Formats: sequence, structure tokens, C-alpha cells
Amino acid sequence: NAGVMQNPRHLVRRRGQEARLRCSPMKGHSHVYWYRQLPEEGLKFMVYLQKENIIDESGMPKERFSAEFPKEGPSILRIQQVVRGDSAAYFCASSRGVINQPQHFGDGTRLSIL
Amino acid sequence: AQTVTQSQPEMSVQEAETVTLSCTYDTSENNYYLFWYKQPPSRQMILVIRQEAYKQQNATENRFSVNFQKAAKSFSLKISDSQLGDTAMYFCAFQEYGNKLVFGAGTILRVKS
Repeated sequence: NAGVMQNPRHLVRRRGQEARLRCSPMKGHSHVYWYRQLPEEGLKFMVYLQKENIIDESGMPKERFSAEFPKEGPSILRIQQVVRGDSAAYFCASSRGVINQPQHFGDGTRLSIL
Repeated sequence: AQTVTQSQPEMSVQEAETVTLSCTYDTSENNYYLFWYKQPPSRQMILVIRQEAYKQQNATENRFSVNFQKAAKSFSLKISDSQLGDTAMYFCAFQEYGNKLVFGAGTILRVKS
């Protein structure tokens, strides 16, 4: 029973490029959460999605960042025109539903901006 | 807004001994969940233990147990018989029903042989 799959594990981009991070939830999970971990800090919530719907994006920067979770395929976190401050580990978590269901985390994508 | 505070940036413990990591939180909600996650050097996020706020009984998972004091909004993690593999960053986290996790800043735990 595969866990939450994130790819790539490591992503290097130059300033101004786009970064696309993918997350496939655990089988049977329809809720996806994205978190960002800056160096030496805890995880910070970014966005919560269900299939084809953004439920809560209160933690997403207003510009350059977007997320989707299409009917088919993985959830995508997209960062346009990356800057050095976007360097971080980005974690995806999934759960079955909202009540009494813990979130299971992927191994994260480490994004480095040159 | 909910906040989670871990006041111990770093802790050390001798192998086989017991250590307690502290966590306090702030919320006006009555129903919520609390978690401890472990992040080893590999950077994975591993769920250690979970506590439901409406349950008075403290959660236990093998060598890991919590001391949940709802009135004081305190949620400490006790690790018994510490092992070298317990060396990691430990995060306390809060969750309202059906919502995001709010994490503390973490405590680095080093288990010494």
C-alpha cells in the first residue's frame, strides 16, 4: 500500500523559472494538503484541496503560487518566477476525510533556487 | 488564530533514559486533535502519536506517551527507554476538525550512547 508520493525529491531552478511539484495521495485519500518548511523552521500550511476544489488557500502567497488537484492525476503545486526565498522543503499530506482521519505525509520536495 | 509553542529548541538524553518534550497551544475551540510528528535527518514526517481533545485518557504508543492537560492547553510527549533511532526533530501540531495542521517550531532531540 503505497504512501503519499511526491516528485521530484529534489528540484533545482534558476531565478525566474517555474517550479512544478507533484503529489499523489495515498490510495483512497481524496484530501490533499501542502505545507512549506523553510530552513530551521516548522512546517507552515499553504493550501488544502479536494478533487477539483480548493477548500482553504489561506496560507498561499497571493502571487506566483497556485495549486490544483484535478479529477485525474496528482495534485500540483506551481511556483512561477521563482526567487531565492522560495528555497524550502515542500511537503504534501493526504487524508481520507475531515473527521477523525490523520494526515499522512510524503517525503517532501526540496526546492533549491540558484 | 491558533498557535503552538515548543519552548525547548534542543534536548539531550542518554540512551535507555526517559525524556519529556513540552508543547503548549492556544485555541478557543473545544474539539480538536493534537499530534506529535518526528522528522529524522532523512526529513520524512512520521506520525508518532495522536490525541483527541474530547478524550481524557492520555494516548500511548509503545514507548511514547503524552500528558494532555486540556485546561492548561498543554500536550507534552514522553519517550521512555530512549533509543539512538529516536534522534530527530519533534514537532507538536494542532488540528481543528477538518482543517489544516498548525505546527510548533520543533525540538531537536539527541539521544546519546
